[in-house]
Amino acid sequence: QVQLVQSGAEVKKPGSSVKVSCKASGDTFNTSPISWVRQAPGQGLEWLGRITPFLGTADYAQKFQGRVTITADKSTTTAYMELRSLRSEDTAVYYCARDRGMRGYRYVDYWGQGTLVTVSS
Amino acid sequence: QSVLTQPPSVSGTPGQRVTISCSGSNSNIGSNTVNWYHQLPGTAPKLLMYSNNLRPSGVPDRFSGSKSGTSASLAISGLQSEDEADFFCAAWDDSQNGWVFGGGTKLTVL
Repeated sequence: QVQLVQSGAEVKKPGSSVKVSCKASGDTFNTSPISWVRQAPGQGLEWLGRITPFLGTADYAQKFQGRVTITADKSTTTAYMELRSLRSEDTAVYYCARDRGMRGYRYVDYWGQGTLVTVSS
Repeated sequence: QSVLTQPPSVSGTPGQRVTISCSGSNSNIGSNTVNWYHQLPGTAPKLLMYSNNLRPSGVPDRFSGSKSGTSASLAISGLQSEDEADFFCAAWDDSQNGWVFGGGTKLTVL
């Protein structure tokens, strides 16, 4: 059974940073990239980036380049997403999710439960 | 503004068949397979269809998917009240080197 368990809700001030964790069970870290996706209240889904733990490489959406860092700790099978210079528009539920498949046939199958990040002064 | 285009809402009566469309471009749907997710309020999305028309274990065959060119669609037949949810399409985008999503479609069972 694949499980992605995320850290709890956060309330942050504008201009500060937030770091959300995602602990993966099973063989996920050895086989799959982990993506981070957010969903603002009442809105659609937006991809921030992903990390491939067994390669140690990360890719980011152009919109978030320079403001987001995704890392992974293989010893604890935990992925992290840090978003800096927070603004009110960053208020959203942040999800980690497991990427599967290969070039041309990719899909995300399992999702974490989500972490609400609220940015407010 | 989502990269993939979906209708904001669809509705149907129990037993009816409804379809949800998803329109993209050559760099996403035109080059990669399409996946569909459903989401209940306050919960994480769940995979409903992958690689255009494959159902994960446990998804009833009332749900079917298709893709043609740069568009895809999800069909739900024999509509049931418990099908009410938000539905999102997703595809990998080769230009952006990342996932792109539709804005979501709210399904209402009348």
